[in-house]
Amino acid sequence: DVKVTQSSRYLVKRTGEKVFLECVQDMDHENMFWYRQDPGLGLRLIYFSYDVKMKEKGDIPEGYSVSREKKERFSLILESTSTNQTSMYLCASTPSGERDTQYFGPGTRLTVL
Amino acid sequence: AQTVTQSQPEMSVQEAETVTLSCTYDTSENNYYLFWYKQPPSRQMILVIRQEAYKQQNATENRFSVNFQKAAKSFSLKISDSQLGDTAMYFCAFLLTDSWGKLQFGAGTQVVVTP
Repeated sequence: DVKVTQSSRYLVKRTGEKVFLECVQDMDHENMFWYRQDPGLGLRLIYFSYDVKMKEKGDIPEGYSVSREKKERFSLILESTSTNQTSMYLCASTPSGERDTQYFGPGTRLTVL
Repeated sequence: AQTVTQSQPEMSVQEAETVTLSCTYDTSENNYYLFWYKQPPSRQMILVIRQEAYKQQNATENRFSVNFQKAAKSFSLKISDSQLGDTAMYFCAFLLTDSWGKLQFGAGTQVVVTP
């Protein structure tokens, strides 16, 4: 059974702090994704990675960066948080051979004060 | 670019009744998938149903079925015999076949099932 875990369920930070959101999957998936979920906007893709050290911008990459040093781990980095980054962050992964099957993590609700 | 539109922010249905959620999308591509995902209060995204665009037959999963109208670019979800556990946010999503797995989501429809 595929498992995608995220380092925190809830996180509260102050404006200007640096935040790392970690995502780990245990099924050797090549592709990993970070989405942001906001009411009335659905999920929007921030960044994705199709291999170790490979990354591509999604629809809303501004204010974010990512890191993928190991295949199982995909980190979302907020260098200097702002209040408009208060949101739910969802990680997902999918194997290259089954790109139509995405596995989601439980989400991290980030509040920036 | 592809867009997905869900025009119903919230819908309420009584137990055992049927509810239909609408979804329209816009694409110039021919090969793609469409999905309905469910997100209950636990926040875990759960795949409800999937439809390949090349298949004319509408997908069905137990009490969940879709009405896929490719020419109209419409993909509605019907929940039959609604149960309290169906209360959740429902997202329609689009995936190009030759993409890296990047999903395009609609805004979501909150479904509330009442006793």
